[in-house]
Amino acid sequence: NAGVTQTPKFQVLKTGQSMTLQCAQDMNHNSMYWYRQDPGMGLRLIYYSASEGTTDKGEVPNGYNVSRLNKREFSLRLESAAPSQTSVYFCASTSRFGSYNEQFFGPGTRLTVL
Amino acid sequence: AQTVTQSQPEMSVQEAETVTLSCTYDTSESNYYLFWYKQPPSRQMILVIRQEAYKQQNATENRFSVNFQKAAKSFSLKISDSQLGDTAMYFCAFIPNTGNQFYFGTGTSLTVIP
Repeated sequence: NAGVTQTPKFQVLKTGQSMTLQCAQDMNHNSMYWYRQDPGMGLRLIYYSASEGTTDKGEVPNGYNVSRLNKREFSLRLESAAPSQTSVYFCASTSRFGSYNEQFFGPGTRLTVL
Repeated sequence: AQTVTQSQPEMSVQEAETVTLSCTYDTSESNYYLFWYKQPPSRQMILVIRQEAYKQQNATENRFSVNFQKAAKSFSLKISDSQLGDTAMYFCAFIPNTGNQFYFGTGTSLTVIP
């Protein structure tokens, strides 16, 4: 099992450019999440999808859109990148059934917006 | 509102010594799951230990153990026999049993000194 995979690992954008971060999990998890991590601020939730076909805003959704393409894939789109979106982005998934409940994380994407 | 507070931004410990990282949380839920995650310089988020709130017994995983005080809403992590590989950022997190959103603290940066 690959677990949670993210692409790309690194990306540099110019202000105003758009891009999509891809995330996939092979653990048959129902819930998927996108976080951003900035120094001193921990992990902040951007969007999450509790189950296939649903998405909800988290703490910092402005400037982002998401798509739960199917049960495996959950993408994050920046329509018009801004320097404030320079961050490390993590995708995560969890089962929410049984006694597990912990989140499994992807390796992260370091995004720089110039 | 559900919040997680880690009041120690940075800590250090001598190799082979014991260190305790603090975490408090606020929730009106009666059942939930608590976690400690480790993030080494590689950026990968790794689950260290988890605790189910309805279990009174404190969880242990080898050198890692927790002190879970439900009434005080406290969930501290004790690392015994600290090793250089324990140098990392540590995040406390919880999820209520009735919800889908995880709540993370801002992290504690731990340095193990040789």
